[in-house]
Amino acid sequence: AQKVTQTQTSISVVEKTTVTMDCVYETRDSSYFLFWYKQTASGEIVFLIRQDSYKKENATVGHYSLNFQKPKSSIGLIITATQIEDSAVYFCAMREHYNQGKLIFGQGTKLSIKP
Amino acid sequence: DMKVTQMPRYLIKRMGENVLLECGQDMSHETMYWYRQDPGLGLQLIYISYDVDSNSEGDIPKGYRVSRKKREHFSLILDSAKTNQTSVYFCASSSSRDSSYEQYFGPGTRLTVL
Repeated sequence: AQKVTQTQTSISVVEKTTVTMDCVYETRDSSYFLFWYKQTASGEIVFLIRQDSYKKENATVGHYSLNFQKPKSSIGLIITATQIEDSAVYFCAMREHYNQGKLIFGQGTKLSIKP
Repeated sequence: DMKVTQMPRYLIKRMGENVLLECGQDMSHETMYWYRQDPGLGLQLIYISYDVDSNSEGDIPKGYRVSRKKREHFSLILDSAKTNQTSVYFCASSSSRDSSYEQYFGPGTRLTVL
């Protein structure tokens, strides 16, 4: 059965440093998509970045990048040069190729950026 | 401007009352979703709609039903609401033209059932 697990409940780092958030997933499908979403304090959920399972290159968007380790079923989110506004809850999610649209979410990691 | 809207944003109901949550999108997305979010549990899928009158149960459909009569609107209905349905409800949409089905989320509705 498909499952997404984020074991870090919360992380706190100092502004302008780099942070990595972990996510592991379980799937029997050979083709799948992995996503990271950010939920701000206001509750807004915003898509950040995506990794397609067949791509070997790690995805990068702005100061977000992914560490995709397929043999370990792991998709870490790396945020470089963190800013106060990066403080939020970050969700990892997976969609299997055959499963039209259905996303499985992890429990979320709360990131706090300190000045 | 791509947008998913939800109405109302906040709602307080008494146990046993009926609840209607509405969602709209302006992107002509075929697929729409309803989720609920509870502390520590992330987002749980209630229902998916693949297009008008083409709905499918998600992981936690019990106690909910949906209606989709127009592509741009998707409603979540709670018949005789229960206190354990107090939660934040999110609607989302995605396009089947995008193979990843990347989802766009609405702002959420905070429902309290007393």
